[in-house]
Amino acid sequence: SQTIHQWPATLVQPVGSPLSLECTVEGTSNPNLYWYRQAAGRGLQLLFYSVGIGQISSEVPQNLSASRPQDRQFILSSKKLLLSDSGFYLCAWSVRGGRNEQFFGPGTRLTVL
Amino acid sequence: GENVEQHPSTLSVQEGDSAVIKCTYSDSASNYFPWYKQELGKRPQLIIDIRSNVGEKKDQRIAVTLNKTAKHFSLHITETQPEDSAVYFCAASMETGNQFYFGTGTSLTVIP
Repeated sequence: SQTIHQWPATLVQPVGSPLSLECTVEGTSNPNLYWYRQAAGRGLQLLFYSVGIGQISSEVPQNLSASRPQDRQFILSSKKLLLSDSGFYLCAWSVRGGRNEQFFGPGTRLTVL
Repeated sequence: GENVEQHPSTLSVQEGDSAVIKCTYSDSASNYFPWYKQELGKRPQLIIDIRSNVGEKKDQRIAVTLNKTAKHFSLHITETQPEDSAVYFCAASMETGNQFYFGTGTSLTVIP
């Protein structure tokens, strides 16, 4: 069966510090991978998605970036965090080709102080 | 790109009553419409989905209807129970593409 992992589970970082969140998927190959941000009381905002190694599409201009160094690894990064980067970050995967269920990771709660 | 709107943002119902959440979408190319449930502090999980070749789908107390002409779809929960309390998200996906567009969510509270 497929599983998706995210770490860390929670993170408290000062403004201006760097960020690296990691997501890995097991039990499947060539997945589509996604990063979402969920601000308090808000919906799911798609940040990045990837259909393959090294292929990243950005939905929203911001100070975040994403990378996919391996087929089942997706990393969200920032060089300098802003207060507005606080939120719940969710990684998700789906079968390539769309029109299928998205499976979400457990999420990372990021607080920028 | 696709734009998904969801209403209401909050909904309170008495236990045993029905709850209806509505979503509209803008791109007629979208043909897959899932609904996710997110309990407090947890990840969203798929509860039901519908594809554009059907107008209605039912799974026990949950049903989803789709009107492609009007570009809207709805989630219906009957005989609500306290454990139905959660945030519900609708989403739309295009036939050619890998992106899912989510609505802003509905916080449902079922009052015992």
